[in-house]
Amino acid sequence: DVKVTQSSRYLVKRTGEKVFLECVQDMDHENMFWYRQDPGLGLRLIYFSYDVKMKEKGDIPEGYSVSREKKERFSLILESASTNQTSMYLCASSRGSRDSYGYTFGSGTRLTVV
Amino acid sequence: GENVEQHPSTLSVQEGDSAVIKCTYSDSASNYFPWYKQELGKRPQLIIDIRSNVGEKKDQRIAVTLNKTAKHFSLHITETQPEDSAVYFCAASSNTDKLIFGTGTRLQVFP
Repeated sequence: DVKVTQSSRYLVKRTGEKVFLECVQDMDHENMFWYRQDPGLGLRLIYFSYDVKMKEKGDIPEGYSVSREKKERFSLILESASTNQTSMYLCASSRGSRDSYGYTFGSGTRLTVV
Repeated sequence: GENVEQHPSTLSVQEGDSAVIKCTYSDSASNYFPWYKQELGKRPQLIIDIRSNVGEKKDQRIAVTLNKTAKHFSLHITETQPEDSAVYFCAASSNTDKLIFGTGTRLQVFP
């Protein structure tokens, strides 16, 4: 069964901490994405990557950075966590091609910043 | 950039009735429109998708229609069952592989 695995299901961090959210996929997908999900706001794109060492800003990149050193791994970094970053974070991957394809999502990480 | 609007935000139907969720998009270059179902506490899962070269696609009890002129697309679920209860998201993409999602519809099917 194909998998997108997020390292933590629940995280509680303190304001000002540096937080790492890890995502690994085993489908040899080129594309990887980080979204946050908030009630009433749907899924909003934070950052995405089409290739190793490549990254692009999504719609809400402020306060976040990413790292993609290997094809299968895409990390989301909260440089200095704040309470307004309390949310569900979803990682996804898709194959890269001329045509768009649907995503496979991870199970999500529910982050609480206190 | 692309913007996707989704309606209604909540939808309650009796078991056996049909449910329709509608989305509009802003970018006329969008050509791929998937729908995701997210059950409580679970990850979103792709249930059906359509590309801009077709107007309708069916898979058993679910169907999606696309009107490129009006820039809207809809999800139709017939003969609804309690297990259809979930949050449904529409999304749109041009040839960028990047999906822009709607805000979601919470569907409740009552027995």
